[in-house]
Amino acid sequence: NAGVMQNPRHLVRRRGQEARLRCSPMKGHSHVYWYRQLPEEGLKFMVYLQKENIIDESGMPKERFSAEFPKEGPSILRIQQVVRGDSAAYFCASSPPTRSRETQYFGPGTRLLVL
Amino acid sequence: GENVEQHPSTLSVQEGDSAVIKCTYSDSASNYFPWYKQELGKRPQLIIDIRSNVGEKKDQRIAVTLNKTAKHFSLHITETQPEDSAVYFCAARSSSASKIIFGSGTRLSIRP
Repeated sequence: NAGVMQNPRHLVRRRGQEARLRCSPMKGHSHVYWYRQLPEEGLKFMVYLQKENIIDESGMPKERFSAEFPKEGPSILRIQQVVRGDSAAYFCASSPPTRSRETQYFGPGTRLLVL
Repeated sequence: GENVEQHPSTLSVQEGDSAVIKCTYSDSASNYFPWYKQELGKRPQLIIDIRSNVGEKKDQRIAVTLNKTAKHFSLHITETQPEDSAVYFCAARSSSASKIIFGSGTRLSIRP
């Protein structure tokens, strides 16, 4: 049973380019969460999605960032016109659609470097 | 808004000794408290969790305690080993919220 998958593991972008980060939840999980981790810091919640729905995006910057979790395929976190401050590790986590959905399992992360 | 405070930010203990990490939370509706371990360059991994209907939970060398009245919870690691060296994060989730709020992390170093 594969765990949460993320790709790419490392992504280098120049300022102004777009970054697309993908997350495939664990099999049977229908809840996906995205977090950002700056170097030497904790995990900051960005967005919570279920299939085809954004449930909570209170941690997402208002501009340039968007997320989706389509009916088919992985969840995508999209950052437009990246700036150096976007350099961070982006982790996604998933949880099952049951009463125990509070338990989140993390993917390996995507390390974004903006030059 | 919700907030989780974690102390200390760094902790160094002799191998074999115990380590204690403490957290406080602000949202009295919080009812789920997971602890994650993150090794350098790796993903956070759930090591233990506790729900608000219990005060203590133990799993081998790891234990968590919860004081709902004081809104405190703690992680205890006994008989520490070199492989316990990592950053540990506490977190809290409210039954009315969809997100988990993480503490700022504790970097634990085990001295041989």
